[in-house]
Amino acid sequence: ETGVTQTPRHLVMGMTNKKSLKCEQHLGHNAMYWYKQSAKKPLELMFVYSLEERVENNSVPSRFSPECPNSSHLFLHLHTLQPEDSALYLCASSQERDMSGFYEQFFGPGTRLTVL
Amino acid sequence: AQSVTQLDSHVSVSEGTPVLLRCNYSSSYSPSLFWYVQHPNKGLQLLLKYTSAATLVKGINGFEAEFKKSETSFHLTKPSAHMSDAAEYFCVVSDQEDTGRRALTFGSGTRLQVQP
Repeated sequence: ETGVTQTPRHLVMGMTNKKSLKCEQHLGHNAMYWYKQSAKKPLELMFVYSLEERVENNSVPSRFSPECPNSSHLFLHLHTLQPEDSALYLCASSQERDMSGFYEQFFGPGTRLTVL
Repeated sequence: AQSVTQLDSHVSVSEGTPVLLRCNYSSSYSPSLFWYVQHPNKGLQLLLKYTSAATLVKGINGFEAEFKKSETSFHLTKPSAHMSDAAEYFCVVSDQEDTGRRALTFGSGTRLQVQP
């Protein structure tokens, strides 16, 4: 596998379910990101991990819980979601030399989430 | 603070005719600028990037963009549209925040339709 992969590609869940989205990057990068893409809205940055430490959390509800066990893997744990959380969730990675710069981001294909 | 405005939410061209997707930005520092393309059910793919080198940037698939500081613009062009160019295009600005960290801001996207 090359680049950034995401599983599953599609997910349908009820509001009481617990599920996880997985992202894996094979590029040797040390920064990873979760974005939410809703219809007719700009891409929203949710979380940033740099060198496996969370460095940004843009006021995301606690029903979304990220986990970054190592520099190649990123998870987004979901529980008690709402229908308005239905969206395309994109993972990205980049190389970050130090805390003064973010470089070009490489995106995965996304997980299309539908909350019933 | 930084922002990016994509002036057209939807552009329709005929195959073989030129493409122009417009983007204006605002930035407090020297920005980096990117164009990404997203085909249906796919992740975002980098088309080209400007990082303070040549102001005319050539990208993949025959696309290019010109950085015009005086106009704060970074419009994307292609001399001749192909059916496979039909997709959503995002203009992205990467600026250096007061913390010294660069942050990405995405435009709301322009959907390009190519008519046969």
